Amino acid sequence: SSELTQDPAVSVALGQTVRITCQGDSLRSYYGSWYQQKPGQAPVIVMYGKNNRPSGIPDRFSGSSSGNTASLTITGAQAEDEADYYCNSRDSSGNVMFGGGTKLTVL
Amino acid sequence: QLQLQESGSGLVKPSQTLSLTCAVSGGSISSGDYSWNWIRQPPGKGLEWIAYIDHSGGTYYNPSLKSRVTISVDRSQNQFSLKLNSVTAADTAVYYCARSLSLQFDPWGQGTLVTVSS
Repeated sequence: SSELTQDPAVSVALGQTVRITCQGDSLRSYYGSWYQQKPGQAPVIVMYGKNNRPSGIPDRFSGSSSGNTASLTITGAQAEDEADYYCNSRDSSGNVMFGGGTKLTVL
Repeated sequence: QLQLQESGSGLVKPSQTLSLTCAVSGGSISSGDYSWNWIRQPPGKGLEWIAYIDHSGGTYYNPSLKSRVTISVDRSQNQFSLKLNSVTAADTAVYYCARSLSLQFDPWGQGTLVTVSS
């Protein structure tokens, strides 16, 4: 399908590990990227490619992909990680698309 | 450090044309193999890619908006623009510009809210 599916909301206890997933057929062909968006702010890229962190992104963020599912893992979640997270990829025509987003709550 | 800044009309009447410009500073819009994008986010909702123009001037549009959208670049002014015609309330959103390399969108502008209302 030409869609990217994300869980609407995920929660994690402070200091614990959380995995945010993104599902879609296009992920079998493309390594997308992950974006963090805090309220009132523009998205910021936190992961791209197979498992690449832009400079300035803490190493508690990691990425992986298997089949039609891409995952963003935060190991030792911090209060400042509370945000919306979006994945992206391309549809069958090569157009860019974003997942619906996951709201991460750090308890 | 590359920075992008959106500007344009914040209030547009239904059926009229939304016009936005993204000014690029800290680097040339003509350098590298980058593409230049517009993305929008309706209030309380997710991100929707609208269009991009690539380093050679090729333009690509979201099929759901293609009939109403035009993206263009002014390399002399180091900026690119978006026009969306025949707007309705459904086009009310924060509009972002962003540079991309493949699927890596970085950096983004701060975003500008466009409200469609009479």
